[in-house]
Amino acid sequence: SQKIEQNSEALNIQEGKTATLTCNYTNYSPAYLQWYRQDPGRGPVFLLLIRENEKEKRKERLKVTFDTTLKQSLFHITASQPADSATYLCALDTGRRALTFGSGTRLQVQP
Amino acid sequence: EAGVTQFPSHSVIEKGQTVTLRCDPISGHDNLYWYRRVMGKEIKFLLHFVKESKQDESGMPNNRFLAERTGGTYSTLKVQPAELEDSGVYFCASSQGDYRRQDTQYFGPGTRLTVL
Repeated sequence: SQKIEQNSEALNIQEGKTATLTCNYTNYSPAYLQWYRQDPGRGPVFLLLIRENEKEKRKERLKVTFDTTLKQSLFHITASQPADSATYLCALDTGRRALTFGSGTRLQVQP
Repeated sequence: EAGVTQFPSHSVIEKGQTVTLRCDPISGHDNLYWYRRVMGKEIKFLLHFVKESKQDESGMPNNRFLAERTGGTYSTLKVQPAELEDSGVYFCASSQGDYRRQDTQYFGPGTRLTVL
């Protein structure tokens, strides 16, 4: 069956460090992979999209990599801040536009 | 510019009752999506409208769920009759552009539905 796994339910790091979140998938051939941020009581907010033929995408302190051979995406937040504390969701799109989400990783950045 | 709005923010109903959720997409967005997250699970796709037409309804769980998008503007999702397992957070999202290519989906805050 198709499956998306995000490396852990929760990740705690110190302010200023780099947070690295992992998204692994099986039995998919995604056209796109996206990362979203979700705060409590809010809807997901789009952060970055990476296409199957792209290896890396950056936006300010965020970096996403996509390895279709390993079936894995890594999401990095450099120079992390307490305001980065949130749940981060990985989502795949096989081209149908319907997003398939992972269960998320809750990031806590300690001051 | 206003974002995606959803009404109500919370709904508590008895099993067997009917509930209607509403979503107002971002103005000008042809694509409208419904997703839901049930307790402890990931967010799951329900269906996708392009304007007033259902493009993909493969995620609708059963025929107790009815989605409409009259005139290609706002959308409603009706659950009739509601069951306990329907409890969860229902998200609406919208996006602009040609349905054949990917573009950003903007999510609303969600409606939290509790069926007692």
